[in-house]
Amino acid sequence: NAGVTQTPKFQVLKTGQSMTLQCAQDMNHEYMSWYRQDPGMGLRLIHYSVGAGITDQGEVPNGYNVSRSTTEDFPLRLLSAAPSQTSVYFCASREDGNSGNTIYFGEGSWLTVV
Amino acid sequence: QKEVEQDPGPLSVPEGAIVSLNCTYSNSAFQYFMWYRQYSRKGPELLMYTYSSGNKEDGRFTAQVDKSSKYISLFIRDSQPSDSATYLCAMSGQGAQKLVFGQGTRLTINP
Repeated sequence: NAGVTQTPKFQVLKTGQSMTLQCAQDMNHEYMSWYRQDPGMGLRLIHYSVGAGITDQGEVPNGYNVSRSTTEDFPLRLLSAAPSQTSVYFCASREDGNSGNTIYFGEGSWLTVV
Repeated sequence: QKEVEQDPGPLSVPEGAIVSLNCTYSNSAFQYFMWYRQYSRKGPELLMYTYSSGNKEDGRFTAQVDKSSKYISLFIRDSQPSDSATYLCAMSGQGAQKLVFGQGTRLTINP
């Protein structure tokens, strides 16, 4: 059982470039989300989705786009990379919107913008 | 002021010690309280989960929630080097879609 799979693991981008971080889960979870983790800031929610075709903004959405065309996939797009987007990105999924359900995280994607 | 405050440490203790990790929060609507453990270069994994106030014990780990003081704790008894990790508290309200995380406390257990 793969759980939550993120690719790539590491990426270096130049300022202004665009890229997509891929996220897939095989648990048939309705709820998926993207977080970024920065030193001293903890995990901050970027975007989330409560089901295919439904997305919403989190705490720090600027500079990022998401879409949810299938239950399994939830890609995160950086439109024009900036050094401030250098961070570790985690995709997560949960069975449904119930706050009490366990959130499962992927292994993370380390992004450096130069 | 952040909704959730957590001392980032780092915290270093000898093997076998009792470890106490804490978070305070300001949002009285929070009902679900979690502790996640994150090893270096890995994603967080759920360690303990508590609904509303009270204590919960799982092996060497005990989670406490005091909603009147807006304070949660994680205790680790007989700490082991394998417990060395970053510990993140997280919480959310009833029906909320979002988890709010603390900054994380980096813990090292020295053999």
